[in-house]
This record gives sequence, C-alpha cells and structure tokens, in this order.
Amino acid sequence: EDQVTQSPEALRLQEGESSSLNCSYTVSGLRGLFWYRQDPGKGPEFLFTLYSAGEEKEKERLKATLTKKESFLHITAPKPEDSATYLCAVQGVNAGNNRKLIWGLGTSLAVNP
Amino acid sequence: KAGVTQTPRYLIKTRGQQVTLSCSPISGHRSVSWYQQTPGQGLQFLFEYFSETQRNKGNFPGRFSGRQFSNSRSEMNVSTLELGDSALYLCASSRERQGSSMNTEAFFGQGTRLTVV
Repeated sequence: EDQVTQSPEALRLQEGESSSLNCSYTVSGLRGLFWYRQDPGKGPEFLFTLYSAGEEKEKERLKATLTKKESFLHITAPKPEDSATYLCAVQGVNAGNNRKLIWGLGTSLAVNP
Repeated sequence: KAGVTQTPRYLIKTRGQQVTLSCSPISGHRSVSWYQQTPGQGLQFLFEYFSETQRNKGNFPGRFSGRQFSNSRSEMNVSTLELGDSALYLCASSRERQGSSMNTEAFFGQGTRLTVV
C-alpha cells in the first residue's frame, strides 16, 4: 500500500537556523512527488514537483531533493514568514490512470525572530 | 487572475442533515478535485472531476457525492451527516489535459470548515 510519512511532526527554529524536513514514501513506482505549504486557515500552496531520484529544485530559501525512498525540503536561513505546515504528496504508478495523490500529515514549522 | 473560490467558508450542521459545498475553479481549469482534511488523517482524496465527468474517486462512502457543471464549477454533497464528517473540505483546480495521468500544480481554495453537531 502506498504510504507517505513526514518527519518531524513539528519543528521550531530560530531565524537564520537552517534545517531539513523529511518525506519518506513507499510506492511501487513513483510518478511524482509534490511539496506544498499550508498557512493556518488557508488551502495548500504549491511549491515543487520532483519526478526522479537525483532531481533538485530551488525557490528562494527552499530546496527540495529526491532519492528513491525519500525527499528532503531544506530551508536555508529561514525567516518568520516561512512558518507554516509543509505537506508532501506522492503519485505512484500503482495509480494507473488514477491521479490520486497520497498525502503525508505534514511538518509544522515555526520560525522565531 | 481570480483564485479558487469555495463557499461557504464555515458551516454548522446537525447529524442526519445533508450539506452542499460549492467550488469555482480558476478560469480555464477543467480539473477540480475535492479533499477532506482532518488533524488525524491529513488530506484525504474524495474525487476528481474533469469536463463534467468523475475521473477518479477516493475511498469514501456513497454519502459523499459530487458533480461538475459545464462552466467547470463543482459541488460536493454529503448526505446523512455524521459527527466524523466534521472537517475542512478543500477544493483544488488544475490545468490538466484530457487523458493525462500525471498530476500537475494544483491551486487550492481556502476551504469550507464543516462542523457537525
């Protein structure tokens, strides 16, 4: 069964203190891995899509990487406005033509000034 | 460019009642997906509509249904509400192509917070 596990559940950082969030997945074959950010009271906002092991993508202070079993979201010198819940989702080849995404429970990040 | 609009934002219903939620996608987006979000289960996929046809369906009971109109607007309905249906219901639209099996960037609305008492 396809599964996505995110760790840690919650992370508190000081402004400027870099860290990484983890997304471990179990699928028979990966079609795509997605990172989203969700602010309180809002819907998720798209960040990145990764398709194959070794792929990396960057956006401002965020960098997403992908291996065959997990993805990392690296946050460099975070600012308080980076505080949010970060969600990871995968689409596996088991899905066939079914485009259903399997979501992790997210990592709640708080960045203190 | 207007984002995805969901109405209403908040709703309180009694057990046994039914509810209809509405979603207006971004103009030009033909794919609309619905999700249920709860603290313990996270985001759970309900269904996806494309050009008025249900293309994919999650593992929810038949009390959960939806439809899509010719202008791509979508509604979801939950009948015979249960306490466990209390959740944030999110709608997402995307610029998918006919027959595409790959997910692309999805744009989410702010959700409808449903409370069943």
